[in-house]
Amino acid sequence: RKEVEQDPGPFNVPEGATVAFNCTYSNSASQSFFWYRQDCRKEPKLLMSVYSSGNEDGRFTAQLNRASQYISLLIRDSKLSDSATYLCVVNSAGTASKLTFGTGTRLQVTL
Amino acid sequence: GAVVSQHPSWVICKSGTSVKIECRSLDFQATTMFWYRQFPKQSLMLMATSNEGSKATYEQGVEKDKFLINHASLTLSTLTVTSAHPEDSSFYICSARRSGGNTGELFFGEGSRLTVL
Repeated sequence: RKEVEQDPGPFNVPEGATVAFNCTYSNSASQSFFWYRQDCRKEPKLLMSVYSSGNEDGRFTAQLNRASQYISLLIRDSKLSDSATYLCVVNSAGTASKLTFGTGTRLQVTL
Repeated sequence: GAVVSQHPSWVICKSGTSVKIECRSLDFQATTMFWYRQFPKQSLMLMATSNEGSKATYEQGVEKDKFLINHASLTLSTLTVTSAHPEDSSFYICSARRSGGNTGELFFGEGSRLTVL
């Protein structure tokens, strides 16, 4: 089983739609969780950290379910500029600075 | 914000040659940098952790003699792909974490796309 698993998509949604991505991780000892965004042929950039209590940043909401070992990202009122690949990132057990990346979920927002 | 610069952004080379990729932190010191490789439609795979002033730590399955890493200063790490072969063609990305910063906020270089003919 992969350490971090994501549905690769693509998710094709119209502008204004709400879309949610899930990610599961295998190591119950993982402590830090993040969502990164990667545009085509570009480097990943941090979108947001994921906190135990859930957190929101504008149109983006991240949730963590430790019991089920999954993380979610909700995007409301999708914009064309949200089209990208969203990477779920989890720290590897025992090494706080070593992060494991999921394969990413591709989102395509259309008119 | 922090910026990490990577050079070259793309390179094409002949099989058997060596290619050096540079990763620089432009406005902060990075005692630790990370090198990843990403094949098309796959996730970033950590190759090695580069530590300033000491040997790099390689992930399982990554040949240290093939992928030479040097982290000679607090702002520069280099990855040299030695005797490159077509199967080494990939997108290589470095990242750096600012000392004392959020554990997860890695700043990534722009990536280097290597094509070995």
